[in-house]
Amino acid sequence: EAQVTQNPRYLITVTGKKLTVTCSQNMNHEYMSWYRQDPGLGLRQIYYSMNVEVTDKGDVPEGYKVSRKEKRNFPLILESPSPNQTSLYFCASSPGLLTYEQYFGPGTRLTVT
Amino acid sequence: GENVEQHPSTLSVQEGDSAVIKCTYSDSASNYFPWYKQELGKGPQLIIDIRSNVGEKKDQRIAVTLNKTAKHFSLHITETQPEDSAVYFCAARPNAYTGNQFYFGTGTSLTVIP
Repeated sequence: EAQVTQNPRYLITVTGKKLTVTCSQNMNHEYMSWYRQDPGLGLRQIYYSMNVEVTDKGDVPEGYKVSRKEKRNFPLILESPSPNQTSLYFCASSPGLLTYEQYFGPGTRLTVT
Repeated sequence: GENVEQHPSTLSVQEGDSAVIKCTYSDSASNYFPWYKQELGKGPQLIIDIRSNVGEKKDQRIAVTLNKTAKHFSLHITETQPEDSAVYFCAARPNAYTGNQFYFGTGTSLTVIP
């Protein structure tokens, strides 16, 4: 089944403790993105990648890191999480090359205390 | 960067009636406008999209219209059904030369009353 998977789905952590949220897609898509969703703010793009080893900042990149070492994986890293990063996070992928439809993962709910 | 505004934030309609959700955007170079449906506890799912060289697109009960001059686009759902109840998001993608950035509206919670 073609899909985007994220792990973990739920995470409660403490301020300053490094964490990684994994994202994987099995559709051989070129493009991948990370978003955060907050009430009243919609979805905001954190980082995107258009190819292996090619990443760029979205609208709200502060406090986050990403890497794209393999085409299928695009992990989101919070090196020193803070309470204002408590949010619902979504990974998405799209074929690229003028095909922009995005397929979203199921989401990761992160709470930073 | 691009700014996308979406209205209304909540919408209630009777089953069988039509629903319209409107979005405006600021960057005249934006060239791709998708609409997503998000059900409770799930990720957004693409339901329809339109490119800047097209004025209208229809898929069964769902249609999207684009007015490039006024920089607004709308989602139209006809003959609404209870399963249409969800949160809907519009988005805009600026010109390809700026990368793969997407800007989303703040969402519309649609309730279809049986």
